[in-house]
Amino acid sequence: GAVVSQHPSWVICKSGTSVKIECRSLDFQATTMFWYRQFPKQSLMLMATSNEGSKATYEQGVEKDKFLINHASLTLSTLTVTSAHPEDSSFYICSARGHSGMFYNEQFFGPGTRLTVL
Amino acid sequence: AQSVAQPEDQVNVAEGNPLTVKCTYSVSGNPYLFWYVQYPNRGLQFLLKYITGDNLVKGSYGFEAEFNKSQTSFHLKKPSALVSDSALYFCAVRDGGGGYNKLIFGAGTRLAVHP
Repeated sequence: GAVVSQHPSWVICKSGTSVKIECRSLDFQATTMFWYRQFPKQSLMLMATSNEGSKATYEQGVEKDKFLINHASLTLSTLTVTSAHPEDSSFYICSARGHSGMFYNEQFFGPGTRLTVL
Repeated sequence: AQSVAQPEDQVNVAEGNPLTVKCTYSVSGNPYLFWYVQYPNRGLQFLLKYITGDNLVKGSYGFEAEFNKSQTSFHLKKPSALVSDSALYFCAVRDGGGGYNKLIFGAGTRLAVHP
């Protein structure tokens, strides 16, 4: 299957700072990427859907000014948590949907990024 | 609206016994159904999917799932459980009516396989 990477895999930051998480599709192009958030022992909650070259669509209750999403190319999307607070500590998982070819419309998941805000 | 229900928070099975993890769904159109497994501090690994065709779908690591349209279910099964199967399992659904609809996840079921 296709590979999706995330960087960093874990990050610890101080309250009030901003953190950027990268999501890359390594061997396929992704028109659409999804960002999920997972609290301990809970399911994945979709935060936003990003399409290459356009603004992200945020789910209800997700602050777009706090969770900035950029999808500048068919292989890269970034999530920036601005002015992070301890309640933002969570496991963030990205997913990429194939643009064409054998991965068309298939959705693949990254390994996740563990964010801890002190 | 789409929704997925996994009625069991945890399933306990003895190694070597068959296992079933339950999932029911609700969509307005044709369902695209998926099972994923998650190990601690890891992302999701794809196990299998149902789009169309045979109701019995075979996937990775000996897992299979049966699509039952009348019961709107897609239960995950394995004939003989391994201790290494212990993990968190998620059922997910996407409405097949549109090509870019969202994937919605169930709450997850923790599978514990005891030696």
